[in-house]
Amino acid sequence: AQTVTQSQPEMSVQEAETVTLSCTYDTSESDYYLFWYKQPPSRQMILVIRQEAYKQQNATENRFSVNFQKAAKSFSLKISDSQLGDAAMYFCALSGGSNYKLTFGKGTLLTVNP
Amino acid sequence: DAGITQSPRHKVTETGTPVTLRCHQTENHRYMYWYRQDPGHGLRLIHYSYGVKDTDKGEVSDGYSVSRSKTEDFLLTLESATSSQTSVYFCAISRLAGDSYNEQFFGPGTRLTVL
Repeated sequence: AQTVTQSQPEMSVQEAETVTLSCTYDTSESDYYLFWYKQPPSRQMILVIRQEAYKQQNATENRFSVNFQKAAKSFSLKISDSQLGDAAMYFCALSGGSNYKLTFGKGTLLTVNP
Repeated sequence: DAGITQSPRHKVTETGTPVTLRCHQTENHRYMYWYRQDPGHGLRLIHYSYGVKDTDKGEVSDGYSVSRSKTEDFLLTLESATSSQTSVYFCAISRLAGDSYNEQFFGPGTRLTVL
């Protein structure tokens, strides 16, 4: 069984500052992928960033980057230069094994203060 | 945009009534999924399909059934709705998004309220 744990139900950050969201996971698969999804109030699920477990280099997408620590089974998301539009629920997710099923964490609600 | 629509987008029903939610995709993807989202639980997999008439259970399948008679449609049925099935339901498809991995794209969601 796969598990994903997000230990921060809520976080807040000042506009233009940096914030890090935490995620830990567990899987018995050797080949897996990790994702961060953003869900704004519109409820639409938006993929922010992904990381292949076999890659040592941390993924980066513009202001979003991850710190992937495979041995520690940790996958944190860093948002730099936070913007008001970054305010949303963020979900960490894991895909391993067949059929590309996703296991989600419970989410972290991010507030951005002007 | 992966061409995923869900219908209805909102529904209010009474306990004990049957309910069917529809997911429609326009790109002929093989894999389709139904998730439910509840506060404090994130998204949890209900059922998924890996082809026409090929389906399997997910983490929270009790009280739900699915059908996929054609590639583009994946139906989720609550045979006798209960208040515990009040939730937001998301459909997703999986498609190749790189050299070696599949990425899931989500529909807009259906908010179901069971009174």
